[in-house]
Amino acid sequence: GAVVSQHPSWVICKSGTSVKIECRSLDFQATTMFWYRQFPKQSLMLMATSNEGSKATYEQGVEKDKFLINHASLTLSTLTVTSAHPEDSSFYICSANSLQSSYEQYFGPGTRLTVT
Amino acid sequence: QKEVEQNSGPLSVPEGAIASLNCTYSDRVSQSFFWYRQYSGKSPELIMSIYSNGDKEDGRFTAQLNKASQYVSLLIRDSQPSDSATYLCAVNYSGAGSYQLTFGKGTKLSVIP
Repeated sequence: GAVVSQHPSWVICKSGTSVKIECRSLDFQATTMFWYRQFPKQSLMLMATSNEGSKATYEQGVEKDKFLINHASLTLSTLTVTSAHPEDSSFYICSANSLQSSYEQYFGPGTRLTVT
Repeated sequence: QKEVEQNSGPLSVPEGAIASLNCTYSDRVSQSFFWYRQYSGKSPELIMSIYSNGDKEDGRFTAQLNKASQYVSLLIRDSQPSDSATYLCAVNYSGAGSYQLTFGKGTKLSVIP
């Protein structure tokens, strides 16, 4: 149980284009979903927290107009990187809490974004 | 600022030995503690959660929590080369209604065959 999927697993896009990443909880309903970014050999960095049906809460320094988060249901959240630039190239990982085990976060497999 | 501190390592242990990973946290009101394993290039995987003082065992893994000392540890018995990974300690600091975790920077474990 507690499986989280992400799609796509990797994506290459050109500078200036937008990329959408989907995060789904497959076998549970998620109270909250989280989006992280991780650069090579660095620690996880929380970007934003989202709850179904409400606006995401962004961490300090994360541009909400650049990283659009939509949390349409208890099993789906999307992150759209708008007008991507090479410095946005990173490993983007989502996680979700289950309603039963609220503080345990289950991570998706991650999406590796490369902006050329 | 609420922090989670871990020794970055690398921690090297021979195969079959016990690996001991440590973590300290800064907020006494924290209630929930987690250990995640992250292989290089992969996302974190939850391996242990602990909520009350004492030990919690799951297979070769034992989590130990001491709230008075604000200390949580992970022991891996009979370490295997496949245990080589970065281990992340995470703490839920927030009050009711917020499920955010604060992560340490991780300890890199290397199990030598």
